[in-house]
Amino acid sequence: DSGVTQTPKHLITATGQRVTLRCSPRSGDLSVYWYQQSLDQGLQFLIQYYNGEERAKGNILERFSAQQFPDLHSELNLSSLELGDSALYFCASRGTGNTGELFFGEGSRLTVL
Amino acid sequence: GQQLNQSPQSMFIQEGEDVSMNCTSSSIFNTWLWYKQEPGEGPVLLIALYKAGELTSNGRLTAQFGITRKDSFLNISASIPSDVGIYFCAGGGTQGAQKLVFGQGTRLTINP
Repeated sequence: DSGVTQTPKHLITATGQRVTLRCSPRSGDLSVYWYQQSLDQGLQFLIQYYNGEERAKGNILERFSAQQFPDLHSELNLSSLELGDSALYFCASRGTGNTGELFFGEGSRLTVL
Repeated sequence: GQQLNQSPQSMFIQEGEDVSMNCTSSSIFNTWLWYKQEPGEGPVLLIALYKAGELTSNGRLTAQFGITRKDSFLNISASIPSDVGIYFCAGGGTQGAQKLVFGQGTRLTINP
């Protein structure tokens, strides 16, 4: 158990819809990262938050947005969903030391029909 | 942008064999990490490397941070069935794990 909690574990929705994925980082971790993993692909970095502020942005679509709340949990919002958005979405957190190690949640599997 | 080339993409081996996989990049990284992902799970950190030339072991796993800081390898000795999974390398830049870049993964299959 990494200590990172993601909900929901599975989500099935239709094209054009909007969903929200939620992540709670490890206790005490201030940084939250979101990654997308499509079928048989590697992990693509989407966005990072640190203590409520956006710190780094990857290849995140304009239809996607995220935020980190004062209690440090984070939400990834995906809107106007397309078939190609079907993927595993992982949240990871990092400790306050600059070690570079990320601890991943179990992921949210999104299926867009 | 930064990219990692991980090879091989897949491996089919017999139980008990040793395994070797590597990652290379045209960019320099200050941290190399190796993760394992099992079906339906998130990646789990296996080994973290912080210094060029560093060689670190974790049980039957050994990983090295290349001297040029542009590559890393992971070896697994005497493979067992529970080693099955996808192994990812990841490189971190000068600002910790911001924009940690992942390789495409090596899928390991073991025949008993």
